[in-house]
Order: sequence, then C-alpha cells, then structure tokens
Amino acid sequence: SYVLTQPPSVSVAPGQTARITCGGNNIGSKSVHWYRQKPGQAPVLVVYDDSDRPSGIPERFSGSNSGNTATLTISRVEAGDEADYYCQVWDSGRDHPWVFGGGTKLTVL
Amino acid sequence: EVQLVESGGDLVQPGGSLRLSCAVSGFTFSTYWMHWVRQPPGKGLVWVSRINIDGGSTTYADSVKGRFTISRDNAKNTLYLQMNTLGAEDTAVYYCAREAAYTGIGDYWGQGTLVTVSS
Repeated sequence: SYVLTQPPSVSVAPGQTARITCGGNNIGSKSVHWYRQKPGQAPVLVVYDDSDRPSGIPERFSGSNSGNTATLTISRVEAGDEADYYCQVWDSGRDHPWVFGGGTKLTVL
Repeated sequence: EVQLVESGGDLVQPGGSLRLSCAVSGFTFSTYWMHWVRQPPGKGLVWVSRINIDGGSTTYADSVKGRFTISRDNAKNTLYLQMNTLGAEDTAVYYCAREAAYTGIGDYWGQGTLVTVSS
C-alpha cells in the first residue's frame, strides 16, 4: 500500500515560517490534503488539492506538491498554530482510499 | 451548519461487540461518501472504512476486514460501524468524516467517540 512519510516534529519561533513535508513515491501525481489536529479535538482540513484553502483558513496556510514531496507552509506562525498536522492522499485505484502520513507535531517556541 | 456527532463508544471486553453511530445534520447526507477513521491513544490517524452514497459499495482496512461492517441509513441521516471480535488493538477514538464523492477530501469530521477494549 502507499506510504506517506512525515517528520515527527518541527519547531519554529513565532513570526517565522514553518514547513512540514510529506514524502511519498511520485506524490506529485496525487492530490494532497492537510489536516490540523489540536489536543482533544477532531482533525480540521486546512489545505486540499495540494494548495487550496477551505473557507475560514487564513492565507498564512499554503501548500505545494512536486516529485516525491508535498509541503505545508505556515507563514507568520502564531502560538495558536501549535498542533499535529497530517497529510493525506486519495489512493483511488486501491481498496484503501484514504492514506495518512504519520503526523508532525508543530511546536511554537 | 454542518454537524457530525458520533456516539456509542464504550469500554468493552476483548472479543466483544459494539456499534458506533454518526448522526449528521446541516447537509444532504445521501449525496456524500462517508468514512470512519480511528486514532489509537497518542498515535496518528488510521483510515478504517468507507461507504458510498447508497451503501452499495463498502471498503475496509485490512486490519478490520471481516470484523467491522459499515452501513448507513439515509432516511435517518446516520452512519454506523458495527464492530465485532474486538481486540486491544481496536482501542482508539473513532471519527466519522464526510467526503464529496470522488474528491478524496475529508472536509468535515465529527468530534470522535472513544472505544476501549480491555478486561
């Protein structure tokens, strides 16, 4: 089955830019979605189809996807951005349609 | 307002059964695919199962195939997950999530319900 690899943790100071990667074999050929999960809460979609934002998500959240790596970029990081972030793809040709990365803990220093 | 509310989580003994429900409102339930995703304590998200709009097509993760059954009642705007032969490895928070068909995007999720399998 398809595997997505994320770094376990990323740390960044307030006001700086955080970049969270998601690696997968030829992931650039797939649409990647990103979710934010704060402790004790449900996941929330923050970026879909590589780089689109749902309504209500700040422009500080952006995404890119090429080759074997997709990236979620959070600009001007705030304390409230501290959370776990998960990438996900739709493996449409298989019986396991949703594949998640292992998650990245974003720490705001 | 879109809402998904899970219920049915409980403490159950190994080998036991449980049925989870996900009651939805604020959107036309019968036009969305629905998923169950679980999260073991302190771990990441794991996809469990998906059902299409009329229940005619379902798919499962290998770890639950043959033990779990996903179903839906479009008249009651409710999604279900029947879980049988539960083991400790099934302990997790279970989330329901919706997907606009063929998009692969889980745009709304419920708050989750905790299933604990222990003697």
